[in-house]
This record gives sequence, structure tokens and C-alpha cells, in this order.
Amino acid sequence: AQSVTQLGSHVSVSEGALVLLRCNYSSSVPPYLFWYVQYPNQGLQLLLKYTTGATLVKGINGFEAEFKKSETSFHLTKPSAHMSDAAEYFCALPGGYGQNFVFGPGTRLSVLP
Amino acid sequence: DTEVTQTPKHLVMGMTNKKSLKCEQHMGHRAMYWYKQKAKKPPELMFVYSYEKLSINESVPSRFSPECPNSSLLNLHLHALQPEDSALYLCASSQGGWGSTDTQYFGPGTRLTVL
Repeated sequence: AQSVTQLGSHVSVSEGALVLLRCNYSSSVPPYLFWYVQYPNQGLQLLLKYTTGATLVKGINGFEAEFKKSETSFHLTKPSAHMSDAAEYFCALPGGYGQNFVFGPGTRLSVLP
Repeated sequence: DTEVTQTPKHLVMGMTNKKSLKCEQHMGHRAMYWYKQKAKKPPELMFVYSYEKLSINESVPSRFSPECPNSSLLNLHLHALQPEDSALYLCASSQGGWGSTDTQYFGPGTRLTVL
């Protein structure tokens, strides 16, 4: 069965510092992988997705993620955090035939001035 | 355009009320979803309509009743809700039908409070 884990339910960084949010997955088939961001009282917004091809995926708002098959990881990074990046971040992958997306538990990012 | 719209944005209702949530997309997507999200948790799937047919009902209580009038609209009818049903209700859609790997696009949600 497909599964997603996100290490760290809460990550705090200083403004201007590197952002690293971790996502590891388990999949019986080559995975598609997604990162979504959710600002307070809003819906989920697609940040980026990996399908096939280039393993470094660039998304919106300066975020990128690297697919590493050997480590079963898809960590999200941003070189310099901004106050507006404070939000909840979810990693997800399709669940397979007849199954819905599997969402990770989420990581709340706080950005300190 | 990847917009999914939801109305209302906020809803407060008593336990005896009947209300409806509305979701709309004009992207030609073939699958539409209702999710329930509690604070600090990922979304939980409630219902899926694929090609306008109810494909998935994740053991949701009958006080929630989905409806898909056409390929662009999705409603969630609410009746006799309980305070524990208070949550953010999200609608989503995807290009492919149920179970596809296509991106799910989410609406802004309806914040429901049951008194």
C-alpha cells in the first residue's frame, strides 16, 4: 500500500534561512509525488509535482523538490524563507488503482522575524 | 485556469437546520471530490463523483448527502448535523476519473460551524 510520512509536524526557521521540509514515501509502483501548501482557512494549493523525467522539480514561490528513488524521498526546499511562507505543507501521492491520494500528516512551517 | 469555487465561505447552522454547500469547476474535469478537514490534520475523503456518478462514499453518515447535477457542479446537502461535524469542507476536482494520478485542484473551502 502507498504511504507518506513527513518528519517534523512543526518546523521553525528564521526569515532568510533555508527551508527544508521532509517527505518520504512507500510505493509499489513508480510514484507521482505532490507538494501542496495550505494557508490558514484556505484550500490546498499545488506547489509542485513530480511525474517522470527530471528529478529536480521547480514549483511556485521559489520552492523546489528533489525526487530520490534510492532514499524514497521527495524533500521540499527553499533557499530563503519569507514571512509569507508560513503555512501547512502536505506531501501526497496517488494511492493506486481504485484508491485516492494518500496525504502525509502535514508540516506546519513557522517563519520567525 | 485551475479554479475551483466554493460557496458559502462560512456557514453557521443549528443541529436541526438543512443547508447546502456548493462547488463549481469549469475545467472539464471528470472527477469531483468532497473532503472534510479538521484542524492540524490532512483532508479526509468523503465522496467522489467520477463522470457524474457516485464512485466512492467513505462510510459517511447519512446526514451528509452529495449531489452532482452536472459535470461542473457538486453539492453537499447537510441535515441534522452534530457539533463534531464542524470542520473545513473542501471540494476538489481532477482531469481524469476516480483513481487517476492527475493533480487534484482544491477550492478555498467552506468553514462550517454546527451549534
